[in-house]
Amino acid sequence: DQQVKQNSPSLSVQEGRISILNCDYTNSMFDYFLWYKKYPAEGPTFLISISSIKDKNEDGRFTVFLNKSAKHLSLHIVPSQPGDSAVYFCAASAQIGSTGANNLFFGTGTRLTVIP
Amino acid sequence: EPEVTQTPSHQVTQMGQEVILRCVPISNHLYFYWYRQILGQKVEFLVSFYNNEISEKSEIFDDQFSVERPDGSNFTLKIRSTKLEDSAMYFCASSLGGTGRLSGGYTFGSGTRLTVV
Repeated sequence: DQQVKQNSPSLSVQEGRISILNCDYTNSMFDYFLWYKKYPAEGPTFLISISSIKDKNEDGRFTVFLNKSAKHLSLHIVPSQPGDSAVYFCAASAQIGSTGANNLFFGTGTRLTVIP
Repeated sequence: EPEVTQTPSHQVTQMGQEVILRCVPISNHLYFYWYRQILGQKVEFLVSFYNNEISEKSEIFDDQFSVERPDGSNFTLKIRSTKLEDSAMYFCASSLGGTGRLSGGYTFGSGTRLTVV
């Protein structure tokens, strides 16, 4: 069950240009979305998140946009830098359970390559 | 910066053997998780743990799997009788808040690559 989908397995962008990574989800119960960055042989590193009550969240060069009606979110990186080259995972969570601990549903990732 | 530590980084085991993967979460975190990533596939949730008990588990987390917090610092994942399809990268994570919302997301360890032969 692919509740979170990243349809582009890879993306190449020139240094200095904008990188746009896309993510779609199917579960309307998701209310919190996160982007993680992953380098080889390392665990995912949290990048930026957005609550479903917002449609945009910005942190430096990174901006996440959420379109709830389309069940779509995107991560914009501008300007892109060679050090941004990594696999980017979109993840989503829903508030379920009494303890508050709940899991993340990950997409399959998009490998971003920023060309110097 | 605090980090989640996982050992070993790579474990090779024979099919049918028991393995224990170890994790040291961030010291003031209250929620602990195991995820896994089969090569080339997405990161999948296995189990969450809070207040010394399992909060939630996925269908992957069957009777062959168990988790334990044997002392105040370690969090372990045990696979009783490994199968070839258990070969994957296993990630431990921890968070201060249950959903990770307050802490800005979970903090993941760098993973243990389990190879079952």
